[in-house]
Amino acid sequence: ETGVTQTPRHLVMGMTNKKSLKCEQHLGHNAMYWYKQSAKKPLELMFVYSLEERVENNSVPSRFSPECPNSSHLFLHLHTLQPEDSALYLCASSIRAGRAAGGTEAFFGQGTRLTVV
Amino acid sequence: SQQGEEDPQALSIQEGENATMNCSYKTSINNLQWYRQNSGRGLVHLILIRSNEREKHSGRLRVTLDTSKKSSSLLITASRAADTASYFCAHKPMEYGNKLVFGAGTILRVKS
Repeated sequence: ETGVTQTPRHLVMGMTNKKSLKCEQHLGHNAMYWYKQSAKKPLELMFVYSLEERVENNSVPSRFSPECPNSSHLFLHLHTLQPEDSALYLCASSIRAGRAAGGTEAFFGQGTRLTVV
Repeated sequence: SQQGEEDPQALSIQEGENATMNCSYKTSINNLQWYRQNSGRGLVHLILIRSNEREKHSGRLRVTLDTSKKSSSLLITASRAADTASYFCAHKPMEYGNKLVFGAGTILRVKS
């Protein structure tokens, strides 16, 4: 248990569905991340939230929509996905990097295995 | 691309042997971190080495960092079957404070 909880663990959705992934941490961290892990590819950083503001959006298609209502919760809203979006979606949290320091390690959830049919 | 690269891509060793994995990156960094991932699960942080450090130990793990060559290595000594997993290095580019960039990983298999 890393202290970062993702739900659901598995999700199968059709291309016309709308679903949401949820991530929750009570570690006192103030930065949260969404990563996508596809087979035979490096982890791709999708979004970074720092102090509840989105500070990074790595050219992610608009069919992925993040939401960070507070420092403990992060959502990824999904709509009209494509089969190539099938992957393991990982949420992580950390203490925000300050000017003088590079921040600390990231704590990851167990991931949501998403299959788009 | 900012992404790091690990080598080898896959490594198979006998229990009790040492395993060495290497990682390279392209930018100036604040720190470099190593993570482990068991099949299809989340990543677990192993060790962090800051840009002003050259070597760090944690149990059976030894990490080195050479910022002049932009490379790092992870050594696992006296490996066990339970060490079988994927290992990733991740670095924090200096100019992107909160961005953690991962390499493609090394798949380690320890045979008993």
